[in-house]
Amino acid sequence: DAGVIQSPRHEVTEMGQEVTLRCKPISGHNSLFWYRQTMMRGLELLIYFNNNVPIDDSGMPEDRFSAKMPNASFSTLKIQPSEPRDSAVYFCASSLAGVGFGGYTFGSGTRLTVV
Amino acid sequence: QQQVKQSPQSLIVQKGGISIINCAYENTAFDYFPWYQQFPGKGPALLIAIRPDVSEKKEGRFTISFNKSAKQFSLHIMDSQPGDSATYFCAASKGSARQLTFGSGTQLTVLP
Repeated sequence: DAGVIQSPRHEVTEMGQEVTLRCKPISGHNSLFWYRQTMMRGLELLIYFNNNVPIDDSGMPEDRFSAKMPNASFSTLKIQPSEPRDSAVYFCASSLAGVGFGGYTFGSGTRLTVV
Repeated sequence: QQQVKQSPQSLIVQKGGISIINCAYENTAFDYFPWYQQFPGKGPALLIAIRPDVSEKKEGRFTISFNKSAKQFSLHIMDSQPGDSATYFCAASKGSARQLTFGSGTQLTVLP
């Protein structure tokens, strides 16, 4: 298995532009999580999906952030418009919730820089 | 009540020494306690995990000690190596949703 695949690895954009981050979870996993990591705030859960349905989006910082999971093999996190304070590393993780739970598998992350 | 408190924030250990990182939790409903290891430029990776029905779990040089009554658990790295230098996160989860609550992380440096 190729693991959780995120793209792009790095994104540099200007303030006010739209940014879309992409994630392909591990096949067979039924939960997907988006995290943001910064030095100041550590790992923050933004939103998670179970069976493609958003369950908890209380961590999404503002309406500028939105996430979708149109099918079991793809999810996006969109920031529109982007701001410099959105600069961070964004991780996607997937897991098999339920009896077979064995922790999360994280992707390698997308390093976002908003200038 | 959802918090997991981790200490220390940073740790420097000599090669061959023992590294110890501690975590404490409040929610007694937590029933799965993993540790994650993160190298620079990489995502966190599951290192070892324990459930509260045992007090200790060992995998190679890595051991989790779990104290249910004190609501604490710790990671011990025996014979620490420079290659162990990374950031370590403890976490806890409960229920069927298995949403993990992470600690704040410990940056471990093992000196050669």
